Amino acid sequence: DVKVTQSSRYLVKRTGEKVFLECVQDMDHENMFWYRQDPGLGLRLIYFSYDVKMKEKGDIPEGYSVSREKKERFSLILESASTNQTSMYLCASSPYGTGGEKLFFGSGTQLSVL
Amino acid sequence: GENVEQHPSTLSVQEGDSAVIKCTYSDSASNYFPWYKQELGKRPQLIIDIRSNVGEKKDQRIAVTLNKTAKHFSLHITETQPEDSAVYFCAAKYYGNNRLAFGKGNQVVVIP
Repeated sequence: DVKVTQSSRYLVKRTGEKVFLECVQDMDHENMFWYRQDPGLGLRLIYFSYDVKMKEKGDIPEGYSVSREKKERFSLILESASTNQTSMYLCASSPYGTGGEKLFFGSGTQLSVL
Repeated sequence: GENVEQHPSTLSVQEGDSAVIKCTYSDSASNYFPWYKQELGKRPQLIIDIRSNVGEKKDQRIAVTLNKTAKHFSLHITETQPEDSAVYFCAAKYYGNNRLAFGKGNQVVVIP
C-alpha cells in the first residue's frame, strides 16, 4: 500500500511564526501536492510538484512556499503564519504518467494559528 | 480554469435506499472525473473514476455516469449502508493539466 505520511496530526503556532509542514511518500511517486481543506470550501490546491526541485502554484499560493529537495519529501512552508491560515492541510502524491490523477492522501495536519 | 460544482450539499437517505450525487463541470476539454470519499476524521480516498470516452462505470454498489453534452457526472450508491456515510468529493481534470479541480463536497448521511 502507498503510504503518505505527514509529520504532525495537530500543530499549534503563534501569529508570525515560520511553520514547516512535512510530507513523505514511500512509493517513488513523481507528483506531490499540498491541499488546504476548510468546511464548505472543499479541497483547494496550494502548490504541487511534478519533479525534484520543481514546483507550480495552485489556486491559493499566497502566503505559502514549498520545497522539494528529494523525490519522497515535499514541504509546505508558511513564512509568517496568520490566523486565516488555520486549517486542515492535506498532502497527496500520485505516480508518474497519471498526470495528477489517482491521488493518495496523507492523514492531514490540523494547524491552528493563535 | 476548470470549475466543479456539487449538488446537493447534504443528502440523507434511509439505509438500503439509493443515493445520487451530481457534479457539473465547466471546461468541455475535461476528460477525467474521479470521486473521493472522506469518512469522518480520515483521509480522502479514491473510490471510482471515469474517463470521457466512457459513459458509465460500475464497481459493486457504486457507479459513475457521465453526460458530456450536459457537462455533468453523477455518483450512484445502491443499497446504502451506514459505512457509506461520508463526505464525497468529485473532481475534474483536462488532458495536459497535472491537477484536479475539486468540488466542495457532499455530506451523505445514511440513517439506520
